[in-house]
Amino acid sequence: GENVEQHPSTLSVQEGDSAVIKCTYSDSASNYFPWYKQELGKRPQLIIDIRSNVGEKKDQRIAVTLNKTAKHFSLHITETQPEDSAVYFCAASNSGNTPLVFGKGTRLSVIA
Amino acid sequence: NAGVTQTPKFQVLKTGQSMTLQCAQDMNHNSMYWYRQDPGMGLRLIYYSASEGTTDKGEVPNGYNVSRLNKREFSLRLESAAPSQTSVYFCASHSRGLSYGYTFGSGTRLTVV
Repeated sequence: GENVEQHPSTLSVQEGDSAVIKCTYSDSASNYFPWYKQELGKRPQLIIDIRSNVGEKKDQRIAVTLNKTAKHFSLHITETQPEDSAVYFCAASNSGNTPLVFGKGTRLSVIA
Repeated sequence: NAGVTQTPKFQVLKTGQSMTLQCAQDMNHNSMYWYRQDPGMGLRLIYYSASEGTTDKGEVPNGYNVSRLNKREFSLRLESAAPSQTSVYFCASHSRGLSYGYTFGSGTRLTVV
């Protein structure tokens, strides 16, 4: 089955700096890669996703890149703000045919 | 449009007691899922239902049972609770289409003493 590894487990950045979170996956059949943000005590919420026919996708300050050959994908947050502080999860699945497999999460702290 | 509704939000059980966590979605989604979240472990799949009438085991099914009562409702049952089942439980749903993104419920924080 699919295995998703996520690094780092914790990340601290100064406000305004960029943050990068990286994930690798094992199943070459996976082709859907979402990222979720979870604030303290809240539910995970989808912030961006990418499919394997696309190498990069941007949405304002966040972007995701995908390298199918190397089986890794990354989340990039630019101009970080205190409200970006949360736990971020990457995940992978096969076009929704199989359940999402999640990484263990990255706790991002943005220091004002 | 409430999305995914989970009940209860909090629960304390004694070892050996049983309980059912309820989940309902009003988005006409076909697939529903139960995950548990433990510190440092991410979200691990317990059971899922790809469509009404079907259920399948996930990564950590031991000690749990599920029922897909109808298209809207998917319940998770702990027959004999153990301290190792202390966790936060999330229900989620989605349908294939333009987006495969899951919608999560607000979670149930369960403590087994």
